[in-house]
Amino acid sequence: GQNIDQPTEMTATEGAIVQINCTYQTSGFNGLFWYQQHAGEAPTFLSYNVLDGLEEKGRFSSFLSRSKGYSYLLLKELQMKDSASYLCAAMDSNYQLIWGAGTKLIIKP
Amino acid sequence: GAVVSQHPSRVICKSGTSVKIECRSLDFQATTMFWYRQFPKQSLMLMATSNEGSKATYEQGVEKDKFLINHASLTLSTLTVTSAHPEDSSFYICSTRGTGFSYEQYFGPGTRLTVT
Repeated sequence: GQNIDQPTEMTATEGAIVQINCTYQTSGFNGLFWYQQHAGEAPTFLSYNVLDGLEEKGRFSSFLSRSKGYSYLLLKELQMKDSASYLCAAMDSNYQLIWGAGTKLIIKP
Repeated sequence: GAVVSQHPSRVICKSGTSVKIECRSLDFQATTMFWYRQFPKQSLMLMATSNEGSKATYEQGVEKDKFLINHASLTLSTLTVTSAHPEDSSFYICSTRGTGFSYEQYFGPGTRLTVT
């Protein structure tokens, strides 16, 4: 079956760095997405990886290893506004997104 | 990215009534839109894929007669929750898919449905 695993909750300190991991198993693979979702709001697109390696975009970076079925989202210089849920989603061979349950990130001062 | 609107943002209705939620793609023509439901502290659950000019494709376990989807134009898809019950109370979100290489989805702001 198809499956996405990510931690339920993580806590980090303002100004620090945090890495949110995601492992996936899908029927075929057409890329890995990360979305940010604040409570009560819709998800917003953060990143897309389809090739192995690290994609950097400001304070946020996303990494993909296709051979390991693994991705991570790296958040640097954490700010209080980064407190949110981070959703990992893999696109299967039918271009359907398979969603993880999300990782709730709590930032402490 | 694409701009997607949803209306209404919040709705409270009585059990047994029907509620229509509109999803509009404001700045590009969306041949495909997606409808999701999200319960508190849970991830997104895809309900159906809405295709312009044809019948929607529903995910397993989603009742097509209860959740009516109409995608009559390239900028508008509607979801009607018929004979709503309290267990239908949820956050309903639509999205459109980009036409670029990455196929990222752009989400509307969501509709909070409460059935009393």
